[in-house]
Amino acid sequence: DVKVTQSSRYLVKRTGEKVFLECVQDMDHENMFWYRQDPGLGLRLIYFSYDVKMKEKGDIPEGYSVSREKKERFSLILESASTNQTSMYLCASSTGRPRTLGNTIYFGEGSWLTVV
Amino acid sequence: QKEVEQDPGPLSVPEGAIVSLNCTYSNSAFQYFMWYRQYSRKGPELLMYTYSSGNKEDGRFTAQVDKSSKYISLFIRDSQPSDSATYLCAMSRYNTGNQFYFGTGTSLTVIP
Repeated sequence: DVKVTQSSRYLVKRTGEKVFLECVQDMDHENMFWYRQDPGLGLRLIYFSYDVKMKEKGDIPEGYSVSREKKERFSLILESASTNQTSMYLCASSTGRPRTLGNTIYFGEGSWLTVV
Repeated sequence: QKEVEQDPGPLSVPEGAIVSLNCTYSNSAFQYFMWYRQYSRKGPELLMYTYSSGNKEDGRFTAQVDKSSKYISLFIRDSQPSDSATYLCAMSRYNTGNQFYFGTGTSLTVIP
């Protein structure tokens, strides 16, 4: 079974705190992603990485940074948490190699972050 | 215009009904289509994926793609209360890469 694991499921942080969300995948996937999901807005891409130490901004990178030191691990960092970053954060991964039957993306269980 | 449009619902059906969930898209270059099921406070789980046009069946689920109309559907036969979830469609242009486009999800409740 494919597995994307997010280490923290529920977090409560104070405004201004630095927050780390960790994600590990065991599928040897090249691509990893961080999304946030909010009611009515769907999934919005924050950052993605296509290789170790490589990253690209998504649609809403402001207030976030990422780190990918190992292929299987992708971290999302909120440098100074704010209340408008209260959300569900989803890590995902996909292969970078062509797949005859199609390209798919696999998600973790999500991390619920509340900033107070 | 959004690349992918999906009616958010909510959709409420009696147990045993046939459910039809749909997405439309604007980019004719999309070739790979996925459906995800997301239970409350959980991550999306890949349900089905298809390539190009046609049908794909897996148990009670059938995914259908009509590229000429830029329209995809997920049918659920003999719906069960355990099917109550939000269903997201997703699509991409290539059989590799990192560009995926998602619908906002349709909330489904199956009433016992």
